Amino acid sequence: DVKVTQSSRYLVKRTGEKVFLECVQDMDHENMFWYRQDPGLGLRLIYFSYDVKMKEKGDIPEGYSVSREKKERFSLILESASTNQTSMYLCASSRDIEGYTFGSGTRLTVV
Amino acid sequence: DQQVKQNSPSLSVQEGRISILNCDYTNSMFDYFLWYKKYPAEGPTFLISISSIKDKNEDGRFTVFLNKSAKHLSLHIVPSQPGDSAVYFCAASASSGAGSYQLTFGKGTKLSVIP
Repeated sequence: DVKVTQSSRYLVKRTGEKVFLECVQDMDHENMFWYRQDPGLGLRLIYFSYDVKMKEKGDIPEGYSVSREKKERFSLILESASTNQTSMYLCASSRDIEGYTFGSGTRLTVV
Repeated sequence: DQQVKQNSPSLSVQEGRISILNCDYTNSMFDYFLWYKKYPAEGPTFLISISSIKDKNEDGRFTVFLNKSAKHLSLHIVPSQPGDSAVYFCAASASSGAGSYQLTFGKGTKLSVIP
């Protein structure tokens, strides 16, 4: 089974901090994604990557950046955390049209 | 503009009865559809999918129906069980064209199965 691992289940950070969310997949998938999930808003795409060192903006990239130095690892960076970035963050990976495999999520609280 | 719509934010069903979750889409390029189930504090997990060459796909208690002319799909759960209580996301993708590896998600429907 494909496994997507997010490094932290819960994080609490202070406003203005730089925050790194890490995601690793073990099935050699080309595509990786970062979403955030908020009540009533569903899953919103922040960034995605279809190859090493490649990245594309999703629907809500403002305030975020990403890094993909290795195929298996896709990092989401909050440059200066704000309270409106308190959310559940979900990483996913996929190969072509097969559909996504999600990680367990990181619940981030910015205080 | 929402390309995948789940118009019911929530649904309550008695245990043992049928749950029907609906999803509409607007993009005629979509030809592959999936349902994901999500429990609180966990990532979504794949439930069932259907290709546009079919109009029905069944997996145990779960059946997905696709009506291409109406751009509508539905997920049927029979019989519903308390463990089915979760948020269900409908998703769609296009097998060709730019972004063909991307899924577009609906906003989700929270299903509550009452014992």
